[in-house]
Amino acid sequence: DAMVIQNPRYQVTQFGKPVTLSCSQTLNHNVMYWYQQKSSQAPKLLFHYYDKDFNNEADTPDNFQSRRPNTSFCFLDIRSPGLGDAAMYLCATSSRRDSGNEQYFGPGTRLTVT
Amino acid sequence: AQKITQTQPGMFVQEKEAVTLDCTYDTSDQSYGLFWYKQPSSGEMIFLIYQGSYDEQNATEGRYSLNFQKARKSANLVISASQLGDSAMYFCAMRRSSNQFYFGTGTSLTVIP
Repeated sequence: DAMVIQNPRYQVTQFGKPVTLSCSQTLNHNVMYWYQQKSSQAPKLLFHYYDKDFNNEADTPDNFQSRRPNTSFCFLDIRSPGLGDAAMYLCATSSRRDSGNEQYFGPGTRLTVT
Repeated sequence: AQKITQTQPGMFVQEKEAVTLDCTYDTSDQSYGLFWYKQPSSGEMIFLIYQGSYDEQNATEGRYSLNFQKARKSANLVISASQLGDSAMYFCAMRRSSNQFYFGTGTSLTVIP
C-alpha cells in the first residue's frame, strides 16, 4: 500500500548529540511536512517542502534543519538536541499546492533526549 | 496571524448519541481548507473530513459532518451515533493556499458505554 514511513519509530539521543529522523513516501506527493508534537499539545509545523522549495516557519529554531534529496525522502536534522526537543515528530505529505488536499501522516518518531 | 481555536479541552458523550466539537478559525486568506483529524492514543493522525472555503454545502463523511459557518468563521465537527472507538483526541486544522497547515489545541473525546 502507498504510505508514509518514518524511521525509527523511537529514537533516544543524548543532550547535544546530533540526530536525524527520516521520512519516506510512496505516494509521489509534491509536499512534505515536518511537525513537532509535544505531549497533550497540537502538532506544530516546523517546515515544509513543495518539491525542492523549502519553506521554514518563522518560529522554527535554527537547531532544526531539513533535507529533501528527492521526491520520496525527507530528513529532519536536529543539530544539538536539548531536553525541550523531546517530542513526537510527525511527517506528512500532500499532493499539490491546493487548499483542498488532505495530509497523509506517518506514524511518527518519538524522540527522547537524555 | 492564522489561528485555530478549540475551546473544549475535554468532552464526554454517551454511546450512540451525537456530539459536536467546536472549532473557530481566524484568517485573512480568501481561499483555505478546513480539516478534522482524529488522533487515538496510538498517536497516528487520521483524516476525517474536509471543507473548502468556497464550498457552499456542509461536508459529510459517513457519521461525520462539518457544520461550516463562514461568516462566523466556525467549522464544528458533528459525530453522530458515537461509538466507543471514537474516544480519541480530535484536531481541527486549516490549510492555507501557501501549503501551511495550522492545528488547534485539540479536544479529547470520551465515549461512555
